[in-house]
Amino acid sequence: KNQVEQSPQSLIILEGKNCTLQCNYTVSPFSNLRWYKQDTGRGPVSLTIMTFSENTKSNGRYTATLDADTKQSSLHITASQLSDSASYICVVSARYSSASKIIFGSGTRLSIRP
Amino acid sequence: DTAVSQTPKYLVTQMGNDKSIKCEQNLGHDTMYWYKQDSKKFLKIMFSYNNKELIINETVPNRFSPKSPDKAHLNLHINSLELGDSAVYFCASSQGSLVSNEQFFGPGTRLTVL
Repeated sequence: KNQVEQSPQSLIILEGKNCTLQCNYTVSPFSNLRWYKQDTGRGPVSLTIMTFSENTKSNGRYTATLDADTKQSSLHITASQLSDSASYICVVSARYSSASKIIFGSGTRLSIRP
Repeated sequence: DTAVSQTPKYLVTQMGNDKSIKCEQNLGHDTMYWYKQDSKKFLKIMFSYNNKELIINETVPNRFSPKSPDKAHLNLHINSLELGDSAVYFCASSQGSLVSNEQFFGPGTRLTVL
């Protein structure tokens, strides 16, 4: 069964600290993996997208890693800011011969405290 | 200068009513989507249209009917609303395949069925 599981469900850290969010998936055949940031009351915004051959991708203070062998990804946030408070959603795509599928994780709710 | 816009932002209605949510994108994309985000924050794709043609139709009650008058608009009509329809509905768009290309999401419509 195609699944995307994220951990932790929620996380609280102090402003300026680093943190790492995890995503494990069982989606196959794997096409790509994305991380989205969703602010409260808003739609998700894409942070990174990685294909099978990419191990790491950065977007400012956000760095995503992908291990396609173990089917794990992480999102590392450096020097957190109050504006990083949001839900972070891992999304994995599968491409079949005649169709495609996109599976969303339930997200990690990150709160940054001053 | 909104890329993907939805109206209304909030919708409160009684069970059994029929309602519509409108979506417009000014990005020139050829593919549009409707997603449902439930109380547990899972995002699930409902429909996808490419150049006004339905290409993804997940298991959704036939009370939900998408309509695409042109490739910049994808409206969602819901008949005989039920309590379980309460959720946030997101419209999104992309240029080309949902698997390969970045999606841009609208701000969401919070539907509450009483």
